[in-house]
Amino acid sequence: GAGVSQSPSNKVTEKGKDVELRCDPISGHTALYWYRQSLGQGLEFLIYFQGNSAPDKSGLPSDRFSAERTGGSVSTLTIQRTQQEDSAVYLCASRRDKGLPLHFGNGTRLTVT
Amino acid sequence: KNEVEQSPQNLTAQEGEFITINCSYSVGISALHWLQQHPGGGIVSLFMLSSGKKKHGRLIATINIQEKHSSLHITASHPRDSAVYICAVRLDYGGSQGNLIFGKGTKLSVKP
Repeated sequence: GAGVSQSPSNKVTEKGKDVELRCDPISGHTALYWYRQSLGQGLEFLIYFQGNSAPDKSGLPSDRFSAERTGGSVSTLTIQRTQQEDSAVYLCASRRDKGLPLHFGNGTRLTVT
Repeated sequence: KNEVEQSPQNLTAQEGEFITINCSYSVGISALHWLQQHPGGGIVSLFMLSSGKKKHGRLIATINIQEKHSSLHITASHPRDSAVYICAVRLDYGGSQGNLIFGKGTKLSVKP
């Protein structure tokens, strides 16, 4: 399909392990965003990419979190040494340009046991 | 105090009713988004507004910049409209393109 694709859709990991979450934005969308939604909480901004660069990383909660984007397309969010409080749904969104609507993926549900 | 407040938190309506969800914010913004989160978790962007009013099908969104307030209206509501509706604002200062601030959402249930 032509939407934002995220993988995996569900991930269960043990505390202390590293995880990688992937986002495939819509083709041609230059802006890509990562958000997090913890259980019972609202959406929380993590990081924004314009092309391959990340002008705004202000939402990353700790240095265990990092993200990269290659080829102006796929992005990977990496969480090192996962903690139980990292359990959440991680959502990716993209848009073609400033002023245009965001398109969200279905999210990755991360559970840290 | 949250910078984005939505009301009501929960709303139950009968099919066919006219529904209004409100969003107030306390900061200068460059744009406001209304999002719909389905029970399965998927999120759809309904509207992006910086002024005035937009309409799409049975949905209408309005914004009053002076009053720092936006409303989302649903006419002739239907059970398939049942979802969480989220208001999000993009701050109006030179920097971040990414930093949307989200309301906590309004959970709408439309009964047949």
